[in-house]
Amino acid sequence: DAKTTQPTSMDCAEGRAANLPCNHSTISGNEYVYWYRQIHSQGPQYIIHGLKNNETNEMASLIITEDRKSSTLILPHATLRDTAVYYCIVRVFSGNTGKLIFGQGTTLQVKP
Amino acid sequence: DTEVTQTPKHLVMGMTNKKSLKCEQHMGHRAMYWYKQKAKKPPELMFVYSYEKLSINESVPSRFSPECPNSSLLNLHLHALQPEDSALYLCASIRSQGAGGELFFGEGSRLTVL
Repeated sequence: DAKTTQPTSMDCAEGRAANLPCNHSTISGNEYVYWYRQIHSQGPQYIIHGLKNNETNEMASLIITEDRKSSTLILPHATLRDTAVYYCIVRVFSGNTGKLIFGQGTTLQVKP
Repeated sequence: DTEVTQTPKHLVMGMTNKKSLKCEQHMGHRAMYWYKQKAKKPPELMFVYSYEKLSINESVPSRFSPECPNSSLLNLHLHALQPEDSALYLCASIRSQGAGGELFFGEGSRLTVL
């Protein structure tokens, strides 16, 4: 199964962009990269996902390198409410069943 | 309705008790998941149901017994649990197993085994 590697923790100043890196060097061609975040042991919240191309939605942007071995999640204007654990996940397939295998995550602390 | 609802939110049980966790979604999703999350750790996959059939069991002990009575409902039956089974149990669903798509998570059931 493809695995992800993320820094354990990061700080970001409020109002600045937060750039969260992720390595997934063993990813296969049909495996998607997902990002979720989790605040205070609530259920994980979906942020964004992608396969090859860069993606953007109202929450964030996802930049995937051309070789797909790494990606970066960008929160354009971080707020205090963005303080959370951010998980970079590769969706792998076991037969016809997809499963999200969580990495250890990055704890992002947004500071005033 | 874009919610996955889990009940109960909190459960305390003894090691000899039998209890169940319930998960419900009304989004027409055909795949449902159980994850277990210990404190300060990432969620770990336990089971996956696709089209109401068990498709993945990640070598979970038999004291955890999943059930999918219909496409909207997923249960996790608990029996003879150990204190180390205390954790947050998360349910999730996705429209189908096709490429892409968002996995929706519930808020979890926090289980304490005494």
